[in-house]
Amino acid sequence: EPEVTQTPSHQVTQMGQEVILRCVPISNHLYFYWYRQILGQKVEFLVSFYNNEISEKSEIFDDQFSVERPDGSNFTLKIRSTKLEDSAMYFCASRMANEQFFGPGTRLTVL
Amino acid sequence: GQQLNQSPQSMFIQEGEDVSMNCTSSSIFNTWLWYKQDPGEGPVLLIALYKAGELTSNGRLTAQFGITRKDSFLNISASIPSDVGIYFCAGQLGGGADGLTFGKGTHLIIQP
Repeated sequence: EPEVTQTPSHQVTQMGQEVILRCVPISNHLYFYWYRQILGQKVEFLVSFYNNEISEKSEIFDDQFSVERPDGSNFTLKIRSTKLEDSAMYFCASRMANEQFFGPGTRLTVL
Repeated sequence: GQQLNQSPQSMFIQEGEDVSMNCTSSSIFNTWLWYKQDPGEGPVLLIALYKAGELTSNGRLTAQFGITRKDSFLNISASIPSDVGIYFCAGQLGGGADGLTFGKGTHLIIQP
């Protein structure tokens, strides 16, 4: 069964460094999403992407964040200058019809 | 922004018992989804609901989309140990690329 994959599974970085989180959505899906989940809290929407551009973004998705689909298969989230409060699980999701399917997540730890 | 109130926050039950949890919202959603999350993993879709009043089953799971489009419940019958985890409701306002709004989750713990 096709699934969303994410790399790396864990990322540790120093505050102020740039990180890129990678996702490979399900191949025939058209909509792509990033969410984050701070430890012990609910999942929060960051951004959606369709037709090679951002469709919707939340208040969390400020100028430090950017997304890209550099080729036909990868979907990336870049955090330009990480802060301590960026530490969280980051989930990629993709969707064809109505149902969003989530990847296993990347645990980002900012020191 | 929109908020979903999910209850209960946690449940401690005996194996074999039935479970019920629900979500309410002050605003309307056009799609309700229920996900299960195991520790360290991503949410896994259990049931999706698209029409007000819709009742959908997936094995021992049953979920309903409230008639007002502001609430949903999930029932699990005859719970088993692998049902342990955190259950999240999620609502989507429109179609297109709208992101999901998640509830805070119900932590299900099953005592043997």
